[in-house]
Amino acid sequence: DSGVTQTPKHLITATGQRVTLRCSPRSGDLSVYWYQQSLDQGLQFLIQYYNGEERAKGNILERFSAQQFPDLHSELNLSSLELGDSALYFCASSVRPAGGVGNEQFFGPGTRLTVL
Amino acid sequence: DAKTTQPPSMDCAEGRAANLPCNHSTISGNEYVYWYRQIHSQGPQYIIHGLKNNETNEMASLIITEDRKSSTLILPHATLRDTAVYYCIVRPLYTDKLIFGTGTRLQVFP
Repeated sequence: DSGVTQTPKHLITATGQRVTLRCSPRSGDLSVYWYQQSLDQGLQFLIQYYNGEERAKGNILERFSAQQFPDLHSELNLSSLELGDSALYFCASSVRPAGGVGNEQFFGPGTRLTVL
Repeated sequence: DAKTTQPPSMDCAEGRAANLPCNHSTISGNEYVYWYRQIHSQGPQYIIHGLKNNETNEMASLIITEDRKSSTLILPHATLRDTAVYYCIVRPLYTDKLIFGTGTRLQVFP
């Protein structure tokens, strides 16, 4: 158990819909990261937040957005869903923001999104 | 694009050492080598990292060549629970963005 929690575990929805994935980081961690893992693209970094501020952006679609709240939990919002958005979505957390040694990321169990 | 090259799959007998190679010939001086693994569809798990010296922790050892162009992750006594996809990642010091490649699927057999 990494200490990172994600809800829900599974989500099934239809094309065109909007969903929200939730992540609670490990106690004391200020950075939160979102990754997407699909069969054809592998594990891809989406976005990072540190203490409520966006820190780094990766291959995140404009239909996707995220935020980190004052209690440090984070939400990933996916809208206008398409079949290709079906994937595992992982959240990770770490103590510090970018850079430095020892800033390992601890991953949650993931949310499996299925778009029908 | 991933900066590392790994064999797609490897087998190892239970109780033997598993040696997983990684090529990172374009690594620069401010980049670390990180290893993560993913068991089935669980979240990736951090294993170890290093810069230029060999490193060891309770999970594994990391051997980095002197020119830093390749490295080997060693699981000294592989168990069935070590069956997973192992990712070798080159991470610049100034970013936390992890760029995962396709990894090596390690199968430990009895």
